[in-house]
Amino acid sequence: DVKVTQSSRYLVKRTGEKVFLECVQDMDHENMFWYRQDPGLGLRLIYFSYDVKMKEKGDIPEGYSVSREKKERFSLILESASTNQTSMYLCASSPPIWVGQPQHFGDGTRLSIL
Amino acid sequence: EDKVVQSPLSLVVHEGDTVTLNCSYEVTNFRSLLWYKQEKKAPTFLFMLTSSGIEKKSGRLSSILDKKELFSILNITATQTGDSAIYLCAVEASWDNNAGNMLTFGGGTRLMVKP
Repeated sequence: DVKVTQSSRYLVKRTGEKVFLECVQDMDHENMFWYRQDPGLGLRLIYFSYDVKMKEKGDIPEGYSVSREKKERFSLILESASTNQTSMYLCASSPPIWVGQPQHFGDGTRLSIL
Repeated sequence: EDKVVQSPLSLVVHEGDTVTLNCSYEVTNFRSLLWYKQEKKAPTFLFMLTSSGIEKKSGRLSSILDKKELFSILNITATQTGDSAIYLCAVEASWDNNAGNMLTFGGGTRLMVKP
């Protein structure tokens, strides 16, 4: 069974802090993704990575960066947290597209920026 | 710009009712359409649809895709209180002809099933 683990379920930080959200998957998946989920807006893609050290911007990358130094780990970084980044953050992983398997999600991190 | 629209936004039914959730899309480089169920935590995978007109079924849930009209429906028969959740529709598109795949999500349908 695929396991995607996010380091924290709940996190409270202050405006201007640098925030790290960590995600680890145990299925040797090539692709990893970071989304944020807001009421009425669904899930929106922030960044994704299709290989170690590779990253691509999603729909809403502003204010975020990512790091993928190892295949199993994908980190989301808020360089200088702002209140409009208060949200639920979801990490997902999947094999390459030709395998035809869905993305699997972690349980999410509910981040509050005060 | 890729777009996925779900309807209705929310739905309240009683146990035993049948519900139909809708998903329409406009996506470049379409690969598949996926349905997820989200309760309090991670979205859990329900169905992946790639071909038109072929129904996928799992217990009381079923789904079908129409690639000509660009929509999908998710049916739940004999609903139970445990079906209460947000149902998410997502469309998968291939990215730049490589192994990457991107999901564009709809806003979700919140289903509440009352006893």
